[in-house]
Amino acid sequence: LAKTTQPISMDSYEGQEVNITCSHNNIATNDYITWYQQFPSQGPRFIIQGYKTKVTNEVASLFIPADRKSSTLSLPRVSLSDTAVYYCLVVLSMDTGRRALTFGSGTRLQVQP
Amino acid sequence: DVKVTQSSRYLVKRTGEKVFLECVQDMDHENMFWYRQDPGLGLRLIYFSYDVKMKEKGDIPEGYSVSREKKERFSLILESASTNQTSMYLCASMTPYGLEDTDTQYFGPGTRLTVL
Repeated sequence: LAKTTQPISMDSYEGQEVNITCSHNNIATNDYITWYQQFPSQGPRFIIQGYKTKVTNEVASLFIPADRKSSTLSLPRVSLSDTAVYYCLVVLSMDTGRRALTFGSGTRLQVQP
Repeated sequence: DVKVTQSSRYLVKRTGEKVFLECVQDMDHENMFWYRQDPGLGLRLIYFSYDVKMKEKGDIPEGYSVSREKKERFSLILESASTNQTSMYLCASMTPYGLEDTDTQYFGPGTRLTVL
């Protein structure tokens, strides 16, 4: 069954680097991998997007291996305000031949002081 | 700045009522989506639309229908609301995926629907 997999939750302390991995074995060939951040009672917000290798912006880095079957969101030096749920979004190639835009189940990150 | 708005932040309805959730985007995006979000289940796609009057079922379309009469507006309809449709509903818009640098969904703030 084509799907994405993320850890349910992670804990960290302020100032630490946090890495969240999403597995997506059936990712479609030509589509990007996108990560979102969601705070309670808000819609998800775009963080970063990449196709392969490494992408970095002012908020995060995204590491994608050559086979693209996983991706790792890296948050440097997290703060309390990074406490949120993080989702990966990929396009999967389904058994039916259809392509499906699919969210991961989300990783709840809790940052402690 | 992309803006996706939803008609209500909070809504309370009774079982059996017909419920309309409206979503409007101002970026001239072709694709629009409706998701529901429940604790422990993440975001689940209900329906999406890739053009005016075009729609496709997502993963959980049962009990829902949609309407896209104009490009900027995508409506989710609960024909006869039931208590198991109590949830957070999120609308999103996006340019057609598969194009470089455009696989980004922009989300509205969500509507928390309670069906009594």
